[in-house]
Amino acid sequence: EAGVAQSPRYKIIEKRQSVAFWCNPISGHATLYWYQQILGQGPKLLIQFQNNGVVDDSQLPKDRFSAERLKGVDSTLKIQPAKLEDSAVYLCASQDISGANVLTFGAGSRLTVL
Amino acid sequence: AQSVSQHNHHVILSEAASLELGCNYSYGGTVNLFWYVQYPGQHLQLLLKYFSGDPLVKGIKGFEAEFIKSKFSFNLRKPSVQWSDTAEYFCAVNAAGRRALTFGSGTRLQVQP
Repeated sequence: EAGVAQSPRYKIIEKRQSVAFWCNPISGHATLYWYQQILGQGPKLLIQFQNNGVVDDSQLPKDRFSAERLKGVDSTLKIQPAKLEDSAVYLCASQDISGANVLTFGAGSRLTVL
Repeated sequence: AQSVSQHNHHVILSEAASLELGCNYSYGGTVNLFWYVQYPGQHLQLLLKYFSGDPLVKGIKGFEAEFIKSKFSFNLRKPSVQWSDTAEYFCAVNAAGRRALTFGSGTRLQVQP
């Protein structure tokens, strides 16, 4: 089966600019996650979707980050305006609802904020 | 809130040496436990998982992990490492009923030929 697709793979922007990342999960996977991985740290959950509804966005900095999954398939994560500390890899993962609780990750989108 | 600690941040071994990476979690209820691996330039991949039953679980590439409930630990082991095991290893946990994973900070393993 095809994996989790993410784009772009790399993005360099200046602080205060905006950026958007796209994720297409594995077909049929109802649950989608966005994680932030800062260099030297483990992935940190930003938001969890079940179909097109938000399950958990408690750790999403809502003053600058937003995410949507309008049709319950692909998802977009946006940062506006970006700060230096947003430099990280943004990982998308999907999970089958029957799930054996196993998350499948995409390759990630590496963001550098200058 | 649940948390995961990985005390070894960077481990350097020679080929054929034995490996044990520590993982401790803090959560009082039932948990599911995972080890993920990230090889250089690749995405996170599942190495092994524990849900219930035999506390000694075997994963891919000769890795195994032991769940010790009384110690809140889930250490990863391999009897003899290879150069190709060079990667970053992440321990993760989710509480029963909660599907999202909480990750540790990772251990970078460097195997020297």
